[in-house]
Order: sequence, then structure tokens, then C-alpha cells
Amino acid sequence: SQELEQSPQSLIVQEGKNLTINCTSSKTLYGLYWYKQKYGEGLIFLMMLQKGGEEKSHEKITAKLDEKKQQSSLHITASQPSHAGIYLCGAVLTSGTYKYIFGTGTRLKVLA
Amino acid sequence: EPEVTQTPSHQVTQMGQEVILRCVPISNHLYFYWYRQILGQKVEFLVSFYNNEISEKSEIFDDQFSVERPDGSNFTLKIRSTKLEDSAMYFCASSAGGAGTGELFFGEGSRLTVL
Repeated sequence: SQELEQSPQSLIVQEGKNLTINCTSSKTLYGLYWYKQKYGEGLIFLMMLQKGGEEKSHEKITAKLDEKKQQSSLHITASQPSHAGIYLCGAVLTSGTYKYIFGTGTRLKVLA
Repeated sequence: EPEVTQTPSHQVTQMGQEVILRCVPISNHLYFYWYRQILGQKVEFLVSFYNNEISEKSEIFDDQFSVERPDGSNFTLKIRSTKLEDSAMYFCASSAGGAGTGELFFGEGSRLTVL
């Protein structure tokens, strides 16, 4: 099984709709990161969460780390075609290590 | 804005050949990483590097792989004898602090095709 599971695996939404992507771990998350990847390109940092209950927003994207620090959600409000891409959560699952792993990814398509 | 740069952007090689992928991390960063992504699959951790030595490596990073920081700016990944299954996009990343403390900055990747 995957250490970091994302759901859904893919999502197609109409422009203007809200959506949520989830990232779940079986272990405590020491630093949770959200990245966006366009096909065949590098990873673009969106935001980082470290404390349980923490919530951050950037433009129309909001991410939250739950109190138990084992799940994070990424919410996009009023989606636009520019939001299309692959969203990846990344985390350190063992404190004090340098092994930073990624989730399975969520492929988002926004229909104009 | 500082960025991580990778060369080559695409390399085609024959099975069994040695390949070196190069990365120039952000200049004041201390932690360096290599990841790979097989087409259509997840981004997989290969290795982390700090203070001129490997901090951690995954099971993928076997004896065929090695990393080096030959000078103050470059960080390289060498695959000694490439296999077909090494075909993937390889990403280099760097960070100012250790994993879990700050953002990882990624390069645009080097696509390796093994024939």
C-alpha cells in the first residue's frame, strides 16, 4: 500500500466549480507540502503546512492539515482552466529524516 | 528568482551505457535530492545528500546509482549501466533546511530514454 494516498486520482470539473483533493497518511506527517505539476514539467510549490489544524491560502487555493496530522486537504474555489494539472502532496513521515516522499497524485482537468 | 537547473533536458542512451545527469542547486542551499518519475507514475524518492554524503536512499537507489557534488555548485546523479526500466524523468531538488522544515525547490527535470 502507498504511504501517502491521494483521492481522487483524477477529477474533471466545470470552470467555476469548487473542488477538494485529499491526502491521507498512515503515519504522522512531519511537514506536509502541496505541489502542482504540469505534464512533463517540474514541480511547483504551492504551500507547506506543519502544525496540526494549520490552514493556509494562496489566491483561490486553501490547504489544511488536520489536528492529528495525518490528513491534509486542498480546496480550490471557483476553479479555472489554469488550475489544471497534477496536484501532489509530499511529506516527511519519519521525524528527523531527509526522506521526503510524494503521494500518488491527483490529475485535475477544468472544462471551460 | 533563484532556481534549480538541470542538464541535459533529454538524453537518449543505449542499454548498458553510463549516464550522468547534472544539477545546479540554488547557491545557498545545503540539502540536495534526486527523484524520478516513470511516465504516468508517481514521483519517487531516490536519495538525499547533505554535508557531502548521502543522508538517505531508497531501495531504488542500488549500486548502479551514485551521487556526487564534485565542486561547490554541481550535484550529479550517475547511472553506471543503464537498463530499460531506468527510462524516466529525473528531478533534482534542493532546500535550505532539512526535509520537513522548508520548501524543496525542483528543477525542470532530465528525461532519460534507454533504448
